Amino acid sequence: GAGVSQSPSNKVTEKGKDVELRCDPISGHTALYWYRQRLGQGLEFLIYFQGNSAPDKSGLPSDRFSAERTGESVSTLTIQRTQQEDSAVYLCASSLVGTGNTIYFGEGSWLTVV
Amino acid sequence: QQQVKQSPQSLIVQKGGISIINCAYENTAFDYFPWYQQFPGKGPALLIAIRPDVSEKKEGRFTISFNKSAKQFSLHIMDSQPGDSATYFCAARSGGYNKLIFGAGTRLAVHP
Repeated sequence: GAGVSQSPSNKVTEKGKDVELRCDPISGHTALYWYRQRLGQGLEFLIYFQGNSAPDKSGLPSDRFSAERTGESVSTLTIQRTQQEDSAVYLCASSLVGTGNTIYFGEGSWLTVV
Repeated sequence: QQQVKQSPQSLIVQKGGISIINCAYENTAFDYFPWYQQFPGKGPALLIAIRPDVSEKKEGRFTISFNKSAKQFSLHIMDSQPGDSATYFCAARSGGYNKLIFGAGTRLAVHP
């Protein structure tokens, strides 16, 4: 597809379980971002990947959160031992490198922890 | 210093009116200021963006006004339409640092 693709679109999980969220960026985009959006709230930065550089993990809220990216393609966000406060939409975005380049968002993965 | 403050939190405008959303920032290193539009259940989509070397940018009914000295920028939606009803986010990014910092969002409702 032409856009950023995320899966699953919806995930309901039990408290304490681990979840994996997947992102396929736009082909050729070397920059990839994960953001979290709680219901009715703004976008909270989580992590940024750029090529082979060390990722910027400064937004990860706890050590239960981790993310990986394979080369310049797919990324996976993993949340271990999920808590109810992890319930949110997790948005992935990608862009070409450079300040003025548009950041394109996927439609998000809606996570509900029960 | 990394914050972007956005107001109002919600806005109701009559069809044909002007919608105005304001944002303020502190970090003078920011050099790219986009506005994103988000419909329910969708990801944010870029609406319009500006760099601080210009004071205004217009695209159709959407205009960004930028005041570098005041460290403020705003989005004006002229002739607002019900289809413009969405959540709008301002954002900022600094050169060499790709992370976008978002405002808290403004929920716009345009009534017919």
